[in-house]
Amino acid sequence: AQRVTQPEKLLSVFKGAPVELKCNYSYSGSPELFWYVQYSRQRLQLLLRHISRESIKGFTADLNKGETSFHLKKPFAQEEDSAMYYCALSDYGQNFVFGPGTRLSVLP
Amino acid sequence: GAVVSQHPSWVICKSGTSVKIECRSLDFQATTMFWYRQFPKQSLMLMATSNEGSKATYEQGVEKDKFLINHASLTLSTLTVTSAHPEDSSFYICSARDQSETQYFGPGTRLLVL
Repeated sequence: AQRVTQPEKLLSVFKGAPVELKCNYSYSGSPELFWYVQYSRQRLQLLLRHISRESIKGFTADLNKGETSFHLKKPFAQEEDSAMYYCALSDYGQNFVFGPGTRLSVLP
Repeated sequence: GAVVSQHPSWVICKSGTSVKIECRSLDFQATTMFWYRQFPKQSLMLMATSNEGSKATYEQGVEKDKFLINHASLTLSTLTVTSAHPEDSSFYICSARDQSETQYFGPGTRLLVL
């Protein structure tokens, strides 16, 4: 069965510091990986997906099939990046699984 | 960008009553919509996948007779919580998938069953 883990419930960094939100998955096939973000009092929204290989708001994520990871990175965190981040996995079909989420707090 | 709406945004009901939640894709057609449930301080849990014109696919452990899902058109899916009980109190979120396989989420519906 598919499973997504995010080991950190809360991650605090100072403004301007690099940030990495960890995500690991277990899936026997070739999954599609996503990062979703939920800012305070806003709906969940797609941040990026691995197949598009793009950078959104300075964030990037590389799918590492060997390590079954899809860590989210940003070289210089901003205060407005403070939010809840969810890693998610899809098997290109009906199944869609979210990780438990990591709350990122960027301190001034 | 694509917008998904949910109605109502919050509802309070008495135990034993049924509650219907609507999920609409406002500017795109969604052949597939998803219903999630979020418990406090926990992640989203997929309840069911709703396909237009066919029966919903429920996740293991989700009672299909209790959580009725109807996807009557390409822009509307409804979730009806039948005979609601206090343990059904939760935050329900829907999402709709467009042709590029991107999911767009609704703002959620908070249900409180007294």
